[in-house]
Amino acid sequence: QLQLQESGPGLVKPSETLSLICTVSVGSISSSGDYWGWIRQPPGKGLEWIGSSYYSGTTYYNPSLKSRVTISVDTSKNQFSLKLSSVTAADTAVYYCARRRIGFDPWGQGTLVTVSS
Amino acid sequence: DIQMTQSPSSLSASVGDRVSITCQASQDITNYLNWYQQKPGKAPKLLIYDASNLETGVPSRFSGSGSGTDFTFTISSLQPEDIATYHCQQYDYVPFTFGPGTKVDIK
Repeated sequence: QLQLQESGPGLVKPSETLSLICTVSVGSISSSGDYWGWIRQPPGKGLEWIGSSYYSGTTYYNPSLKSRVTISVDTSKNQFSLKLSSVTAADTAVYYCARRRIGFDPWGQGTLVTVSS
Repeated sequence: DIQMTQSPSSLSASVGDRVSITCQASQDITNYLNWYQQKPGKAPKLLIYDASNLETGVPSRFSGSGSGTDFTFTISSLQPEDIATYHCQQYDYVPFTFGPGTKVDIK
């Protein structure tokens, strides 16, 4: 069954760019109707949708983050990525990647990214 | 943005009890509502989509209902493995938004 795995630095300095990759396995990132998304969860808090992308390049972002976010899909590597610029301590969270059809399913295991100098 | 609220924020019930959680949207989202289960330290898992449809492989003790702005999630007979936080999520409008979660414990 489809599996997703996040990777990237666990520590990012304030004002720098957070970069994460989600690798999709046991399935194709080019599957019709599948969107690929990022969701984050600050420690002890709720879930926040960051954005989603189709393999063709169509993207949807949360307006609250849109000026700082880029999500892109690399079909040759079966991966999609997240870049979040100008990070602050408020961006400290567990970042999840997930496939979206109707609901988000499945999810990656999540990766904690801490913003600190 | 569509604001999602959930009540209660936490509950404690006995094994075998019927447990219900409500989710309210700040405006009509038809039936574009999903429910997730998140166990401690784990990623959320989709349980119910389109307000009332059970995801494949999810036990039948879980159910969902509602439309418009008011939705209910029910566990018909609480089991020890159901200890988790449950989140609702709307996908009628971008940005997709989640409720704050309801933490379910065993009494």
